[in-house]
Amino acid sequence: NAGVTQTPKFQVLKTGQSMTLQCAQDMNHNSMYWYRQDPGMGLRLIYYSASEGTTDKGEVPNGYNVSRLNKREFSLRLESAAPSQTSVYFCASSEWVSPFPYEQYFGPGTRLTVT
Amino acid sequence: AQKVTQAQTEISVVEKEDVTLDCVYETRDTTYYLFWYKQPPSGELVFLIRRNSFDEQNEISGRYSWNFQKSTSSFNFTITASQVVDSAVYFCALMDSNYQLIWGAGTKLIIKP
Repeated sequence: NAGVTQTPKFQVLKTGQSMTLQCAQDMNHNSMYWYRQDPGMGLRLIYYSASEGTTDKGEVPNGYNVSRLNKREFSLRLESAAPSQTSVYFCASSEWVSPFPYEQYFGPGTRLTVT
Repeated sequence: AQKVTQAQTEISVVEKEDVTLDCVYETRDTTYYLFWYKQPPSGELVFLIRRNSFDEQNEISGRYSWNFQKSTSSFNFTITASQVVDSAVYFCALMDSNYQLIWGAGTKLIIKP
């Protein structure tokens, strides 16, 4: 039982390059999330997927796209990377037993540097 | 607006001391959820506790305890007899009516041997 896995762990991009961050969970959770964490700050939600087939914008969606490929996988794409997107990216998943939200479980993070 | 404030940027104590991390939140919702997470130096995020707004009971788990007070919009976290392994950044978070987590900036806790 690996929990939430993310690839890659580290990535360096040049401005304008594109890349996709991969996330998978094996806990059969319905909801998945992408966050970014900048130094000295809490996490900020980029996009989330409440259930398979749905995606919604979070607090900071500009410059990103997501795909909920199936129940297990949720990818984050940077179409044209910018230095402002240098950050640590976390994927998370959670269950939902109406009406209560459950805690989110996080992957190990991807450290992305855009030069 | 929904907001979480962790006013203590960094706390440094000597091992075995008790330490309290403060969390103050703002929300217009009558039903909401509060969370604490730990981020050790290795970088992963570890869930510690969830609290529903309609349950004001304090909770104790080993050396950890949480004090939830709706009257002051606070959800403080106390570590009793701190240990070096408790050194980490601790985040408080609020889940709003859209079920999105709003995070505080975190408190870096340093436990010196």
